[in-house]
Amino acid sequence: DAGITQSPRHKVTETGTPVTLRCHQTENHRYMYWYRQDPGHGLRLIHYSYGVKDTDKGEVSDGYSVSRSKTEDFLLTLESATSSQTSVYFCAIRDTVFYGYTFGSGTRLTVV
Amino acid sequence: AQKVTQAQTEISVVEKEDVTLDCVYETRDTTYYLFWYKQPPSGELVFLIRRNSFDEQNEISGRYSWNFQKSTSSFNFTITASQVVDSAVYFCALSEAQRAQGGSEKLVFGKGTKLTVNP
Repeated sequence: DAGITQSPRHKVTETGTPVTLRCHQTENHRYMYWYRQDPGHGLRLIHYSYGVKDTDKGEVSDGYSVSRSKTEDFLLTLESATSSQTSVYFCAIRDTVFYGYTFGSGTRLTVV
Repeated sequence: AQKVTQAQTEISVVEKEDVTLDCVYETRDTTYYLFWYKQPPSGELVFLIRRNSFDEQNEISGRYSWNFQKSTSSFNFTITASQVVDSAVYFCALSEAQRAQGGSEKLVFGKGTKLTVNP
């Protein structure tokens, strides 16, 4: 197991409230990613990080921000949640040795 | 820009049938990696295979086989003698190789093919 955990696993929040999702890894991987999964769209990249304090936008970054102050944690924040951000969010890490991507178990977020 | 197309949205077969899931990709890079992931109804993403762009050998793992053809930019996945447990959404994905200047190495996904295997 690559040692990647996401929290919370499920969350229901109200429109307009801030929400932070956490991705934690235990294996010191440099690259971390946040994806969202929606029916008919597959997985789409929100933001990614290639080191502490080094982050960049993916294809669906509007309305999201990220932070990485420690190697092991990559936080995704919805500044003001909207119903369109109801989705399943996956975090991933990239193994630089075997060049594989490992995904967390996902966070199901519902914005009401 | 990278792109992955899985033209088959849903496929339904009867147990023991063979089924092929298509994947076509686009990239300008000469070095890249291709992946297949399985997402069963429980929701987790399960890694199945990684193939780099320099290795066009087909691969077989039990009932699973993969056909990589650079000439047609395809990386198709075949399940032989399908079983009910194969029912899942299957994703094909593409990643650029590592770049010395700190390339993103983004993993780009197709939209997935939902496979239903009926008893």
